[in-house]
Amino acid sequence: KNEVEQSPQNLTAQEGEFITINCSYSVGISALHWLQQHPGGGIVSLFMLSSGKKKHGRLIATINIQEKHSSLHITASHPRDSAVYICAVRSDPNFGNEKLTFGTGTRLTIIP
Amino acid sequence: EPEVTQTPSHQVTQMGQEVILRCVPISNHLYFYWYRQILGQKVEFLVSFYNNEISEKSEIFDDQFSVERPDGSNFTLKIRSTKLEDSAMYFCASRRTGNSDGYTFGSGTRLTVV
Repeated sequence: KNEVEQSPQNLTAQEGEFITINCSYSVGISALHWLQQHPGGGIVSLFMLSSGKKKHGRLIATINIQEKHSSLHITASHPRDSAVYICAVRSDPNFGNEKLTFGTGTRLTIIP
Repeated sequence: EPEVTQTPSHQVTQMGQEVILRCVPISNHLYFYWYRQILGQKVEFLVSFYNNEISEKSEIFDDQFSVERPDGSNFTLKIRSTKLEDSAMYFCASRRTGNSDGYTFGSGTRLTVV
């Protein structure tokens, strides 16, 4: 069973600050997802990655497969970035169906 | 951009009643999932569905739960006799196929059992 840990659990920052959210997992995966959940509850997929780094706008996601660790960075943070950011891992297909195992999420609040 | 549609967005039901949560996955997707999130907790896997059958289910997915894809487009989750602890947000998700394909989530159904 894969354990997914995120840190920090809560993060408050000033507008414009550089944000880093971390995720670590315990067993091999086929992919890692970063998701965003707004107060209404809906989940939006931000990134899926299995190696290296991806960038979309002000968001950057990196993964280190050997260390079983991923980070999500937000540059020039803005109040509209305030949300819960969730890391979820997809099981290695050699170990069964590729369901997602979720972390507990990081609640990010950006203050104007 | 294609969406996964869930209905209703919010349902209130009495304990012991049956509920059916509905989802319309993206049309060319082949893998379908139900997840749930109890308030304040992390999202948990319930069940995955592929090729018209359950491919995996969690310990949560007991005999009170069932899934169906009755008409090739809708994907439903039925809870036969709801309990207070079934109150949660239920998310449907779908995925096309292959390791390179991501998930698309629906906006969720908030189920409140009273």
